[in-house]
Amino acid sequence: QQNVQQSPESLIVPEGARTSLNCTFSDSASQYFWWYRQHSGKAPKALMSIFSNGEKEEGRFTIHLNKASLHFSLHIRDSQPSDSALYLCARWNMGYKLTFGTGTSLLVDP
Amino acid sequence: EAAVTQSPRSKVAVTGGKVTLSCHQTNNHDYMYWYRQDTGHGLRLIHYSYVADSTEKGDIPDGYKASRPSQENFSLILELASLSQTAVYFCASSDQGGNTEVFFGKGTRLTVV
Repeated sequence: QQNVQQSPESLIVPEGARTSLNCTFSDSASQYFWWYRQHSGKAPKALMSIFSNGEKEEGRFTIHLNKASLHFSLHIRDSQPSDSALYLCARWNMGYKLTFGTGTSLLVDP
Repeated sequence: EAAVTQSPRSKVAVTGGKVTLSCHQTNNHDYMYWYRQDTGHGLRLIHYSYVADSTEKGDIPDGYKASRPSQENFSLILELASLSQTAVYFCASSDQGGNTEVFFGKGTRLTVV
């Protein structure tokens, strides 16, 4: 049961590029949205979160949430090889269950 | 940094055998979770618990049981392991609510042969 879809499935970008990752969800019930990042062979770790419509920036990372269009995105400015990882968007359901998207595998080519 | 410890880190099990994966957290979190990850894909919730001695079904509970004997410990049990259960299993913990981070263990790689 995946009501969170991510695109693209995989992505290769050159170092220094701006990268955009997308996530769509099936309804607007949730108000808590997160991006997690998982480096190869490691545990997923929270990257950023947003709890209302709009934009949030932290360093090279910016997230956008539009609940009306059921769309959530992550943008990486000046992508670095260390950004290569699996990126997972997630939403909280009913306050106690975190549902993850299918993931986008990012490779930043130096 | 919150701590979630899983054991074993890897295991090979035979089809039809019983497998128990263990998880211990020192975060004083009420919520604990078991997720499954198949190669290169997202995480799917198997079982979760918000209080000791009680567990809840997640999105893919079939073939799995869970046990929460204390706030700190949460186990995942495969009574009759099958080939399709080969995956990486992550345990996690959190406080209640969507505005809190979920902390993951390092994962257990399970191979069923």
